[in-house]
Amino acid sequence: ETGVTQSPTHLIKTRGQQVTLRCSSQSGHNTVSWYQQALGQGPQFIFQYYREEENGRGNFPPRFSGLQFPNYSSELNVNALELDDSALYLCASSVSPGFDTEAFFGQGTRLTVV
Amino acid sequence: QQQVKQSPQSLIVQKGGISIINCAYENTAFDYFPWYQQFPGKGPALLIAIRPDVSEKKEGRFTISFNKSAKQFSLHIMDSQPGDSATYFCAASNGGGSNYKLTFGKGTLLTVNP
Repeated sequence: ETGVTQSPTHLIKTRGQQVTLRCSSQSGHNTVSWYQQALGQGPQFIFQYYREEENGRGNFPPRFSGLQFPNYSSELNVNALELDDSALYLCASSVSPGFDTEAFFGQGTRLTVV
Repeated sequence: QQQVKQSPQSLIVQKGGISIINCAYENTAFDYFPWYQQFPGKGPALLIAIRPDVSEKKEGRFTISFNKSAKQFSLHIMDSQPGDSATYFCAASNGGGSNYKLTFGKGTLLTVNP
């Protein structure tokens, strides 16, 4: 098991609502990345936070936003939920944004939008 | 646009056999190629990774073969065991700093029969 914990584990929301997902990074890690994994697909990069600043973003609309706190934990916020937002949301932490530093993934939050 | 193509989508191997999963990439700027293993209900876990300056890397029963000119890389699992049954993802990234991200393939569901 990695030291990355995500909450909640499962969540059901209605279309149009807003949701906040949380991630506690592994001790000593200052970088958190968020990924969306649709059923039967590989994870897709949403964005990365490094020392409380956004450090890169994938092809996701602005209604996907995030925060990183001084203890390096992070939140993913999604506004105006759509049915296609139903997916497993994964958080990964690493010791730095460097390309060859290992990213440790949490178990994910399963979001269902109805 | 899918930048990392993975095949096969699913694979069934007998215990003791060799499992081979292939990936091809398009972006020549990619310079880090990890493989992740994911069990149901868990986040992906790093299995083995390679940089393009070597053609092969072996860790225990797992070997990555890398062909830079063909822009292809593969995972070989020797002496496959039922405990290896999982979904395997290849991934690629290009450098660190800003806009760092892992680009994943769609995954291969490996089943190892006893």
